[in-house]
Amino acid sequence: TAGITQAPTSQILAAGRSMTLRCTQDMRHNAMYWYRQDLGLGLRLIHYSNTAGTTGKGEVPDGYSVSRANTDDFPLTLASAVPSQTSVYFCASSDSSGGNEQFFGPGTRLTVL
Amino acid sequence: GQNIDQPTEMTATEGAIVQINCTYQTSGFNGLFWYQQHAGEAPTFLSYNVLDGLEEKGRFSSFLSRSKGYSYLLLKELQMKDSASYLCAVMDSNYQLIWGAGTKLIIKP
Repeated sequence: TAGITQAPTSQILAAGRSMTLRCTQDMRHNAMYWYRQDLGLGLRLIHYSNTAGTTGKGEVPDGYSVSRANTDDFPLTLASAVPSQTSVYFCASSDSSGGNEQFFGPGTRLTVL
Repeated sequence: GQNIDQPTEMTATEGAIVQINCTYQTSGFNGLFWYQQHAGEAPTFLSYNVLDGLEEKGRFSSFLSRSKGYSYLLLKELQMKDSASYLCAVMDSNYQLIWGAGTKLIIKP
């Protein structure tokens, strides 16, 4: 089984351009999450979705938007990228929003110049 | 504010035992997770504690004291493949995970 996949693996983006990071899971998990991971900092939650059709803001939502049209897909969009959005982005999913382990995708390494 | 503290880096010898500590201050508590993350890879789940005490899973054990806001991850019979970062995360009252910065564990032969 694929589990949870992300695309692209890495990307270099010019500042001001838009980009969508894709995330797909085949585990039929209700909850999905987007995190960014920066050196010396813990994973920080950007946006989350407890179930298809609903989304919520995490700790660092500014500059990012998400949608959850169905159970499997949870894309993250940067409308106008800035250099501070250079990071590694991880998508994750869990069976529910409660005390269940989160499964992570392989990550997207994004560089904004 | 919410805070998770764990050492930045630790070094241990192959075959030995190492304990990685984590202290936390969060708004509410719905469990504590430990994840392992090899360099350049995604975090993978190791353990979950919601009640006080020790949970053992093979070479890895995790301990929780809710009254002290403290947990540790104990790794026994260390192997070179255990070289990785170990992430402590607490699920707060909103069921969101608050993550520590991770402890980089270096195993020497």
